[in-house]
Amino acid sequence: EPEVTQTPSHQVTQMGQEVILRCVPISNHLYFYWYRQILGQKVEFLVSFYNNEISEKSEIFDDQFSVERPDGSNFTLKIRSTKLEDSAMYFCASSDGGATEAFFGQGTRLTVV
Amino acid sequence: AQSVAQPEDQVNVAEGNPLTVKCTYSVSGNPYLFWYVQYPNRGLQFLLKYITGDNLVKGSYGFEAEFNKSQTSFHLKKPSALVSDSALYFCAVRSLPGGYQKVTFGTGTKLQVIP
Repeated sequence: EPEVTQTPSHQVTQMGQEVILRCVPISNHLYFYWYRQILGQKVEFLVSFYNNEISEKSEIFDDQFSVERPDGSNFTLKIRSTKLEDSAMYFCASSDGGATEAFFGQGTRLTVV
Repeated sequence: AQSVAQPEDQVNVAEGNPLTVKCTYSVSGNPYLFWYVQYPNRGLQFLLKYITGDNLVKGSYGFEAEFNKSQTSFHLKKPSALVSDSALYFCAVRSLPGGYQKVTFGTGTKLQVIP
């Protein structure tokens, strides 16, 4: 069964450093997303990406964040100058659009120290 | 704007008893509704969805959900709970069209099935 894969599973970084979270969406999917979840709480939408551009972003997704699909298979989330409050589980998801469900990866736990 | 409310932070149910996890939604246009389950330290697993058609939808692991348009609800149900059903359950809504494909999640309900 196809799945969304995320690497690394856990990332520890020092405050102020840049991190890149990586995702490989399901191959025939067209829409890609990043969500985050702080300490097992609410899952918050960050950004959606379609046709090589951001289609929607939340207020959380400020200039500190960026996304990229560098090679047609990977989908990355970059966080510049990380802050303590960026510590969370980050989930990548993909869907083939329309009314179908989004498939989520296992997540990357980001810890900023 | 779209939103989801899960009024119960936690639901406790005895093993073998029926369970219900509540969800109400708000969306302009037709709602596309989903339930996901999250086990500890794991990702979100899709359970079931309502797009159109029958108001009662069946999903994975014996779960089902009932769409009620007049009450704007989409409650998750299972006739007989298992201890292994203990997890965090999220209701989610998506609204189309408009090109907006994001899914908005509720705050989650922790289901505890007691042996």
